[in-house]
Amino acid sequence: EPEVTQTPSHQVTQMGQEVILHCVPISNHLYFYWYRQILGQKVEFLVSFYNNEISEKSEIFDDQFSVERPDGSNFTLKIRSTKLEDSAMYFCASSEARYEQYFGPGTRLTVT
Amino acid sequence: SQQGEEDPQALSIQEGENATMNCSYKTSINNLQWYRQNSGRGLVHLILIRSNEREKHSGRLRVTLDTSKKSSSLLITASRAADTASYFCATVVYTGGGNKLTFGTGTQLKVEL
Repeated sequence: EPEVTQTPSHQVTQMGQEVILHCVPISNHLYFYWYRQILGQKVEFLVSFYNNEISEKSEIFDDQFSVERPDGSNFTLKIRSTKLEDSAMYFCASSEARYEQYFGPGTRLTVT
Repeated sequence: SQQGEEDPQALSIQEGENATMNCSYKTSINNLQWYRQNSGRGLVHLILIRSNEREKHSGRLRVTLDTSKKSSSLLITASRAADTASYFCATVVYTGGGNKLTFGTGTQLKVEL
């Protein structure tokens, strides 16, 4: 069964450093998403991406964040200058249409 | 802004019993979805119910949706220890290009042997 994959599973970085989180969505899906979950809190939407552009973003997704689909298979989330409060689990998701989304296992980002 | 709130926050039952979790939200939606999350793991899609549907079944899962009360319930019948996880409802409102999920706070279900 096809699945969404994410790498790395755990990323430790120092405050102010740039990080790139990688995702490989399910191959025939057209909609891509990033969410995050701070420990003990609810899952929060960050951004959705369709037809090679951002279709919606949340207030969390400020100028420090960017997304890219550099080739036909990868979908990345970049945080330019990480802050302590960026520490969270980041989930990538994809969907074929406007229905159920399939989530990856997540990348745990720890900013020290 | 719309928000899903589940109750109870935590539920502990014996294997074989049924588990019912409720979700309330604030604004009109296009569909509502339920997800399961095992501790520290990713989210697994369980079931989607559209705003014009009132009830849906999938295996041991039964979901209801009452749009007049802006609420949904998830029933897991004949629970198993493997059902131990957090369960989240997520609402969807279609926008121009996105399909973002707005998650609730979750119910932690523990099924004991």
